[in-house]
Amino acid sequence: EDKVVQSPLSLVVHEGDTVTLNCSYEVTNFRSLLWYKQEKKAPTFLFMLTSSGIEKKSGRLSSILDKKELSSILNITATQTGDSAIYLCALESSYKLIFGSGTRLLVRP
Amino acid sequence: GAGVSQSPRYKVAKRGQDVALRCDPISGHVSLFWYQQALGQGPEFLTYFQNEAQLDKSGLPSDRFFAERPEGSVSTLKIQRTQQEDSAVYLCASSFPKTGPDTDTQYFGPGTRLTVL
Repeated sequence: EDKVVQSPLSLVVHEGDTVTLNCSYEVTNFRSLLWYKQEKKAPTFLFMLTSSGIEKKSGRLSSILDKKELSSILNITATQTGDSAIYLCALESSYKLIFGSGTRLLVRP
Repeated sequence: GAGVSQSPRYKVAKRGQDVALRCDPISGHVSLFWYQQALGQGPEFLTYFQNEAQLDKSGLPSDRFFAERPEGSVSTLKIQRTQQEDSAVYLCASSFPKTGPDTDTQYFGPGTRLTVL
């Protein structure tokens, strides 16, 4: 059964810190791995990682896919209070997304 | 439209009532998905449409749940005889499918928070 596990479940840091969020997965037929940020309700898309695109970066956020280890990390450098959110990792299995439980990040001023 | 919209944003129902949740996908998006997100959990897949065809409803928890997309655009998720365990946020997402090895991103609406008393 396809599965996504995220760690840690929650994290509290101070502004300016760097954080690393982890996602591990089991999948029969890998297509892509996605990261979303969920602040209130709507998950907003951050990155999609595929076999042909294993590293993505946007500003202070970056993500790497390790297909050998079946895992991905999301890094956020110089964190800001606006980064406080739940970060969801999702696996694309056929067409549907299988989500982990998320990592709740709180950035204190 | 600019993004996926959903209505209502909040719905309180008494146990046993029927509810209908609406999703307006991004204009031109062919694929539409419904997910259910319980408190403290990630979203879980409910059902998938490609145009008006419901290609997968394997995630619907029971036969009280029904979804439709009759004209291939707006979709409605209906829950009959609601129960307390139906309380959750219901998220809709849309995407435009492509063939080939690359996949398409699903864009989510703000969700409807359903509370069943």
